Amino acid sequence: AQRVTQPEKLLSVFKGAPVELKCNYSYSGSPELFWYVQYSRQRLQLLLRHISRESIKGFTADLNKGETSFHLKKPFAQEEDSAMYYCALSGTSGTYKYIFGTGTRLKVLA
Amino acid sequence: NAGVTQTPKFRVLKTGQSMTLLCAQDMNHEYMYWYRQDPGMGLRLIHYSVGEGTTAKGEVPDGYNVSRLKKQNFLLGLESAAPSQTSVYFCASSPISGGYTGELFFGEGSRLTVL
Repeated sequence: AQRVTQPEKLLSVFKGAPVELKCNYSYSGSPELFWYVQYSRQRLQLLLRHISRESIKGFTADLNKGETSFHLKKPFAQEEDSAMYYCALSGTSGTYKYIFGTGTRLKVLA
Repeated sequence: NAGVTQTPKFRVLKTGQSMTLLCAQDMNHEYMYWYRQDPGMGLRLIHYSVGEGTTAKGEVPDGYNVSRLKKQNFLLGLESAAPSQTSVYFCASSPISGGYTGELFFGEGSRLTVL
């Protein structure tokens, strides 16, 4: 079964501190993994996806198939990073369910 | 550019009433999705569609029906609303991208309260 687990509901860090938002997944096959972000009063939007291997707003995420993880990292948190972050998984090969985790609220403190 | 538009944005219903949420996208996307967002539960997939005339069940389909008669529209219906369906509903669309689903483009959300 497809499943995405984000163990932390809330993560508070100080400005300038490193950030790691955890995401683990369960999927029998080769999934596509994403991170979405929802800033206050804005629409949910894509932050990054594993196949593009980009760094967006200083965030990176590496797909670890052995540990079935896709943790989101940033070396130095900024106050504008405060938002709700969702990890998501999409099936491939004809299964197009797009499943989200429960989300982690990141608060960056001044 | 409108992108993904949801109507209505707010609605209050009484238990047992019916209503339809409309999602419209102008990006010619093949895939469309309906989610509900509840505190502590994240986004849960209700139903989705991989093309005009097709629909499929997601994680929490009970109590909802959907239709995709036109490629650009995806309707979510509640036949007999219940207080447990009080939630924020999000519609999203996505293009096909080399056999993978692509980026999801979201609407602004529709807040539904069932009394």
